[in-house]
Amino acid sequence: DQQVKQNSPSLSVQEGRISILNCDYTNSMFDYFLWYKKYPAEGPTFLISISSIKDKNEDGRFTVFLNKSAKHLSLHIVPSQPGDSAVYFCAAWVDSGYALNFGKGTSLLVTP
Amino acid sequence: DGGITQSPKYLFRKEGQNVTLSCEQNLNHDAMYWYRQDPGQGLRLIYYSQIVNDFQKGDIAEGYSVSREKKESFPLTVTSAQKNPTAFYLCASSPDDHTGYNSPLHFGNGTRLTVT
Repeated sequence: DQQVKQNSPSLSVQEGRISILNCDYTNSMFDYFLWYKKYPAEGPTFLISISSIKDKNEDGRFTVFLNKSAKHLSLHIVPSQPGDSAVYFCAAWVDSGYALNFGKGTSLLVTP
Repeated sequence: DGGITQSPKYLFRKEGQNVTLSCEQNLNHDAMYWYRQDPGQGLRLIYYSQIVNDFQKGDIAEGYSVSREKKESFPLTVTSAQKNPTAFYLCASSPDDHTGYNSPLHFGNGTRLTVT
């Protein structure tokens, strides 16, 4: 049963605009949430994370927002650049667990 | 230059043959993981190991086997019992099993296995 859901398989955004990638989860016990970025034929790379006790974390152009009551998080990329075009995976972790739970990914295309 | 090395990048096998995928890390990480990626399916956990000589089944372990004889190495064998072995396989490691906020997974670049 998918505990982490990314309901948008793809997203297209113009360069310079904001990209918003969404993620929903079902397990209220998750302690951490992470975003990974993946290019074709490469492994995912860690992008940004947020603890469940926070509602926002910012790192340069990337900001993750967490709404625990809605069991929803989002990744904002501002401004979007063509190099941001990749698949973005949302992932979640329970401290008592053993591995990350991943969503199915959202493919972001940033057009010039 | 620390990292995770998966080899080969592309692998082709005939149905019915076992095949072993290599994963080596020089990050001195205790925990290692194998994930499988299929189109539209995200990443699904096959096996994980928190320490040398110990490993646990993940969500989709059937048809796979692993070993962890050395800290640096975590090879995955795809056996003939795996019904749909064609996929992109990703190996990952973490400083400890408390992967999360401060110790995210580090991934290798994957092995694309095609079985015909």
